[in-house]
Amino acid sequence: ETGVTQTPRHLVMGMTNKKSLKCEQHLGHNAMYWYKQSAKKPLELMFVYNFKEQTENNSVPSRFSPECPNSSHLFLHLHTLQPEDSALYLCASSPAASGRYEQYFGPGTRLTVT
Amino acid sequence: SQQGEEDPQALSIQEGENATMNCSYKTSINNLQWYRQNSGRGLVHLILIRSNEREKHSGRLRVTLDTSKKSSSLLITASRAADTASYFCATPRVQGAQKLVFGQGTRLTINP
Repeated sequence: ETGVTQTPRHLVMGMTNKKSLKCEQHLGHNAMYWYKQSAKKPLELMFVYNFKEQTENNSVPSRFSPECPNSSHLFLHLHTLQPEDSALYLCASSPAASGRYEQYFGPGTRLTVT
Repeated sequence: SQQGEEDPQALSIQEGENATMNCSYKTSINNLQWYRQNSGRGLVHLILIRSNEREKHSGRLRVTLDTSKKSSSLLITASRAADTASYFCATPRVQGAQKLVFGQGTRLTINP
């Protein structure tokens, strides 16, 4: 276990549904990240939070809405998704938002949009 | 643009053999990291090597870094079936240095 948990592990949703992904880290880190991993594509960074403040939005469509209520919790709210949004969504944390630190990943949520 | 690129994209070897994967990058870095991902799971950090280091070891893993060639290699010695996974290198992006940029990975298969 890496100290980062994600729920749910699997999610199937229709294009009109609203759902949320949850991430929690027990490492005392101050930075949290959302990544999208699609087949045959490199890992795509979506959002970065540092000390609860969003510091990066990597041109992510507004149907993905992140929320970071504190340094230990991160949510990704999903609304009106498209089939191409089906992917593995990974959460990660690090001591601070800097490429100088290694990142600790959760197991991911496998999302299927029907 | 993609920072790190792994080579080969796929590698299949017999158990007990050594596996070598390479990573090339484009801009100056202060560190390079290697991660492993088992199928459908999260990434696990393996090794971080700083720009002033040339080689680093961790158990059966050996990482080298050549900043003049902008390349790194990951060697897994005496491979085991459990080493079957995808391996990624990651480097900090120069602009917006909060980010790590991951390559597409090398898919390693260890045959029993």
